[in-house]
Amino acid sequence: GAGVSQSPSNKVTEKGKDVELRCDPISGHTALYWYRQSLGQGLEFLIYFQGNSAPDKSGLPSDRFSAERTGGSVSTLTIQRTQQEDSAVYLCASSLAPGNQPQHFGDGTRLSIL
Amino acid sequence: AQSVTQLDSHVSVSEGTPVLLRCNYSSSYSPSLFWYVQHPNKGLQLLLKYTSAATLVKGINGFEAEFKKSETSFHLTKPSAHMSDAAEYFCVVSDTSGTYKYIFGTGTRLKVLA
Repeated sequence: GAGVSQSPSNKVTEKGKDVELRCDPISGHTALYWYRQSLGQGLEFLIYFQGNSAPDKSGLPSDRFSAERTGGSVSTLTIQRTQQEDSAVYLCASSLAPGNQPQHFGDGTRLSIL
Repeated sequence: AQSVTQLDSHVSVSEGTPVLLRCNYSSSYSPSLFWYVQHPNKGLQLLLKYTSAATLVKGINGFEAEFKKSETSFHLTKPSAHMSDAAEYFCVVSDTSGTYKYIFGTGTRLKVLA
């Protein structure tokens, strides 16, 4: 079946611009996660959704970052007034339920801030 | 509290020789453990999972891992490395307490020499 889909796959933008990253999870997966992966680094947790609610936003680096999820499905991660340090790969994952179910990852959005 | 330690940041093996990637975990509850592989410019792909069934878990592409509670380990092995196995590998722990958190190791980069 269809996996987790992320778009765009690549995004290049100028410093100061806003960007929106989209994640389409596997149908029926209630849990959705956003992570950031900088070059050669591990995964940095950003935010977790259960349904449309975000019980844990603790990983968002600053108030320039926000995310929403609608219809218990698609999620959008928005970065306002982008900075060069925001350059990274943003990964989305979904799971049937949080915790003991495996996460399924998209291929990520590679964001480059000029 | 949960934690996971991947003991080697880099591992090099010759093609056709065994692979061993080491992972130790800490969990206050019965853990769920996962191994993921990440090829360049791709998301993370699930290799295998342990969720309190058989302690020897077989995964895709000939990989397997053994859950050893007494040693708090979940090492990943493969009898014979293939060039296509060259990638980054992540060990992940969650638990059955109802938490939504997945704790990622820092990754092991596997290099396969011809």
